[in-house]
Amino acid sequence: QKEVEQDPGPLSVPEGAIVSLNCTYSNSAFQYFMWYRQYSRKGPELLMYTYSSGNKEDGRFTAQVDKSSKYISLFIRDSQPSDSATYLCAMSGAGGGADGLTFGKGTHLIIQP
Amino acid sequence: DVKVTQSSRYLVKRTGEKVFLECVQDMDHENMFWYRQDPGLGLRLIYFSYDVKMKEKGDIPEGYSVSREKKERFSLILESASTNQTSMYLCASSPRLLDGYTFGSGTRLTVV
Repeated sequence: QKEVEQDPGPLSVPEGAIVSLNCTYSNSAFQYFMWYRQYSRKGPELLMYTYSSGNKEDGRFTAQVDKSSKYISLFIRDSQPSDSATYLCAMSGAGGGADGLTFGKGTHLIIQP
Repeated sequence: DVKVTQSSRYLVKRTGEKVFLECVQDMDHENMFWYRQDPGLGLRLIYFSYDVKMKEKGDIPEGYSVSREKKERFSLILESASTNQTSMYLCASSPRLLDGYTFGSGTRLTVV
């Protein structure tokens, strides 16, 4: 069983739609949860960073963590064509990622104008 | 704007060559990392370093070594390049107290 599962997509939605991206994980020791966005031929950039369970909002983005279900989500409201990218979830244990993060394989998102 | 800079965007090397990939960060971060990214496999950790001259193996260290002589520079070395090391290599850094990683733009290495 892989540690982090993420649907690779592609996920194609019309502009303005609400997007839901998800990851499941198996390691109950994970405590830090992150979402990265990666444009083609670029390195990933950090979008959201949460600790333990709960919600965190930043503009059009909301990250949600449910540790009891081992399930994390990223919601994008009012999606724009510029949101088209690959979205990677990442997580780590108590070390906070100092010894490396475990990444999902990424979901390729396409926002249609 | 803070940066992680990887010296080359694209490299083509021959089988058996010794290859150096350079990474420099200007954020005074303690932690630095090397990942490779392959289609269908995602990002996999090769090596990381939490201080100057310190290094730790990641999940796939075989065929690689690293050097960190200065805090801002972390080099990945392919001792004898092989075709299965053709990949996108990503360098990242983070402060000691996690605030997420900052990645470089990547080096796409092709070994022929």
